[in-house]
Amino acid sequence: DAKTTQPNSMESNEEEPVHLPCNHSTISGTDYIHWYRQLPSQGPEYVIHGLTSNVNNRMASLAIAEDRKSSTLILHRATLRDAAVYYCILRAYQGGSEKLVFGKGMKLTVNP
Amino acid sequence: KAGVTQTPRYLIKTRGQQVTLSCSPISGHRSVSWYQQTPGQGLQFLFEYFSETQRNKGNFPGRFSGRQFSNSRSEMNVSTLELGDSALYLCASSLYLGQNYEQYFGPGTRLTVT
Repeated sequence: DAKTTQPNSMESNEEEPVHLPCNHSTISGTDYIHWYRQLPSQGPEYVIHGLTSNVNNRMASLAIAEDRKSSTLILHRATLRDAAVYYCILRAYQGGSEKLVFGKGMKLTVNP
Repeated sequence: KAGVTQTPRYLIKTRGQQVTLSCSPISGHRSVSWYQQTPGQGLQFLFEYFSETQRNKGNFPGRFSGRQFSNSRSEMNVSTLELGDSALYLCASSLYLGQNYEQYFGPGTRLTVT
């Protein structure tokens, strides 16, 4: 499985933008970049995904480097509810399966 | 639209027993995946179903099995429970099988084996 590298943790302040980095230097041309987050005592929650172009949705933006070896999840105005463990995941086609392979993720703390 | 539901939410079993967990996907979703989450191992993929067929299986012993019904609802079964099977079991559904489809997770079933 292709690997991603994220910082163990980050801190941000409420109502400020947050940029969460992810390195995936071994990404292949058909791998999709997905982000999920897990709030305390809840199941993971889908955030955003993309292949090559930058993506925006109501939750966040995903900026993908031109060489696709890294990406950044952008939360435009962090709220206390955004405090969670964020997972950057590469989804590869593997013999009819596109399972999610979760790493350790990155814990985001949002200070009031 | 209702989200993914899992039953039961909490379960306590004794070593050697077996357990069946249930997952109802979002209406219209045809793919269901199961994951195990423990503090030590994190989130690990168990298996994945699409159109009642198991498409892939993770590195878990044969005591872990599952199935999917024609209405896309899924069950997973763990036989001969061990203490190490204590975990949060998460089900996720997706509209179709594919890298471009996001997965939506349920709240999980917390299994405690004593």
